[in-house]
Amino acid sequence: EDKVVQSPLSLVVHEGDTVTLNCSYEVTNFRSLLWYKQEKKAPTFLFMLTSSGIEKKSGRLSSILDKKELFSILNITATQTGDSAVYLCAGLKNTNAGKSTFGDGTTLTVKP
Amino acid sequence: DTAVSQTPKYLVTQMGNDKSIKCEQNLGHDTMYWYKQDSKKFLKIMFSYNNKELIINETVPNRFSPKSPDKAHLNLHINSLELGDSAVYFCASSPLSVGPGELFFGEGSRLTVL
Repeated sequence: EDKVVQSPLSLVVHEGDTVTLNCSYEVTNFRSLLWYKQEKKAPTFLFMLTSSGIEKKSGRLSSILDKKELFSILNITATQTGDSAVYLCAGLKNTNAGKSTFGDGTTLTVKP
Repeated sequence: DTAVSQTPKYLVTQMGNDKSIKCEQNLGHDTMYWYKQDSKKFLKIMFSYNNKELIINETVPNRFSPKSPDKAHLNLHINSLELGDSAVYFCASSPLSVGPGELFFGEGSRLTVL
């Protein structure tokens, strides 16, 4: 059975800190690793990583995938209170159903 | 003009009742999903439909029955509700015709079974 494990499960930091969130995966017929941010309601898409070793960046957020070691990290630099959310990673299968298996999420709290 | 919309957003009901949640997407996507998110924020896939055809059916009690009248709609009907069905149910869609990719989620329907 496919499995995605995130760590830490929760994290409390102060504004300005840098955080690294981890995601390891065991997904058969793996295609991509996706990161989502969930605040109060729906998860919203952050990154999709398909190739190993290529960093994706969006402002203060960046992410990279290691397909040999089967993990990904999400970095957030100069954190702000608005970064407080649950960060979800998901392993996406390369099938016509496109099934995503989610991890448990990391709850990030950024204090002023 | 919400991309993926679900109704109702909140549902409180008694054990044993039957309820439905509706979902519509206006993104022109081929594939729609239902996910269940428990109190610990774990998102688990329940069903997937591709162009009205059932593609994924995880180990879900047969009290849960999805219905897709067309590729823009995927409804979820739940019979004989149980306490353990309390959760947030998310509908999502994905443009699979260009290859598996990101999910676009609705805002969720919080179901509370008393």
